[in-house]
This record gives sequence, structure tokens and C-alpha cells, in this order.
Amino acid sequence: EAQVTQNPRYLITVTGKKLTVTCSQNMNHEYMSWYRQDPGLGLRQIYYSMNVEVTDKGDVPEGYKVSRKEKRNFPLILESPSPNQTSLYFCASRWRGQGTEAFFGQGTRLTVV
Amino acid sequence: AQSVAQPEDQVNVAEGNPLTVKCTYSVSGNPYLFWYVQYPNRGLQFLLKYITGDNLVKGSYGFEAEFNKSQTSFHLKKPSALVSDSALYFCAVRATNFKTIFGAGTRLFVKA
Repeated sequence: EAQVTQNPRYLITVTGKKLTVTCSQNMNHEYMSWYRQDPGLGLRQIYYSMNVEVTDKGDVPEGYKVSRKEKRNFPLILESPSPNQTSLYFCASRWRGQGTEAFFGQGTRLTVV
Repeated sequence: AQSVAQPEDQVNVAEGNPLTVKCTYSVSGNPYLFWYVQYPNRGLQFLLKYITGDNLVKGSYGFEAEFNKSQTSFHLKKPSALVSDSALYFCAVRATNFKTIFGAGTRLFVKA
């Protein structure tokens, strides 16, 4: 089954404790991205990757890091989480091409206290 | 600057009635437009898209959307709503290969 898998689904952590949210897709998609969803703001792009070893900032990259060492994986790293990073996070992947639709993971609800 | 507006936070409709969820956009160049649906505790699911061609696009679950270039709109429609259509709907526009702009979302509530 074609899918994007995120882990964990839920996470509560303390300010400053480094964490990683994993994302893996099994569709051989070139393009992957991370979004955060906040009420009234929709989805905002954090980082994206056009292919292995190619990443770039989205609209809200501050406080986040990513890496793309393999085509299927695109982890999101919070080196020093803060309460304003409490949010619902989604990973997405798609084929290269402007008209292709995205496939989304089920989301990770992160709470930073 | 690119933007997407979904002017209604919530749309309420009775089961069996037609529904419309509105979306307007602002982008330079030819837009690629998408609708996604989000059910509780789930990721977004693709519904339909407009790339080029016929202004009326048909998608999953009986949904369709009408592209109107002069009004820069891409409203989502369904002739007969179901209770199971209740969800959060997002309109999105892609003007480059790298970035997709999402609207804030519209919550659809279908009453039995």
C-alpha cells in the first residue's frame, strides 16, 4: 500500500530537549516536505526536499532542521524545542512536477511544555 | 505575492442539499489548484485538481470544482451532501514546483 508514515503520532516533551520526527514514504517520490498546521493558519511549509541531499527552507524554517540522506526518508529535527513549536506536523511526498498531488502522513501532534 | 483565501470558517448544510466551499486565489502565472480533505486524526487526502483544460473538474467521493479565471476562484461543490462529508477542507495553489500555498481551511458540517 502506498503510504507516508510518520512517527511518533503523539509526543509531549520539555523545552530544550532535542527530538526527531521521522517520515518515510514507499512511493519513490522525489519531492518531500514538512508542514505545520495551526488553527486559523492552515498548513505552512517548514522545509522541502527536491531529491536526495537537496533541501531548502519553506515559510517557517526557524527552529527546525531536516536531512535527506535517502530518497524514502525525510526526518524533521528540533534541536531545542520551544513552546511555540507546539503544533500538528505533517510530512508529505509527491512526484516531481508542478501538477502532481501530495500524499500526506497521518500527522504528529507535538506538545512542548 | 501568492495567497489563498477560504472566506468561510465553517459551512453548514443539511444532508441531501447541495454544498459549496469557497476558495479564491492570487498567483502570478498559471495556477495549479488543489482541494484536500482532512478527517479527524488523519492526514490530508487529495480530492481533485485543476491543471488545464475543462473548467469543471471532477474528483473523489462525488466532489467537483469549478475553475473561474476571471474571478480567480476554485469553489468546491457537491450536488447532494452526506453526513460522512463532514470534515475540514483545504484549498491549495501551486505556482512553482517548490511551494504549495494552503488556505486556512473550511470546516464542513452536514446535518442529518
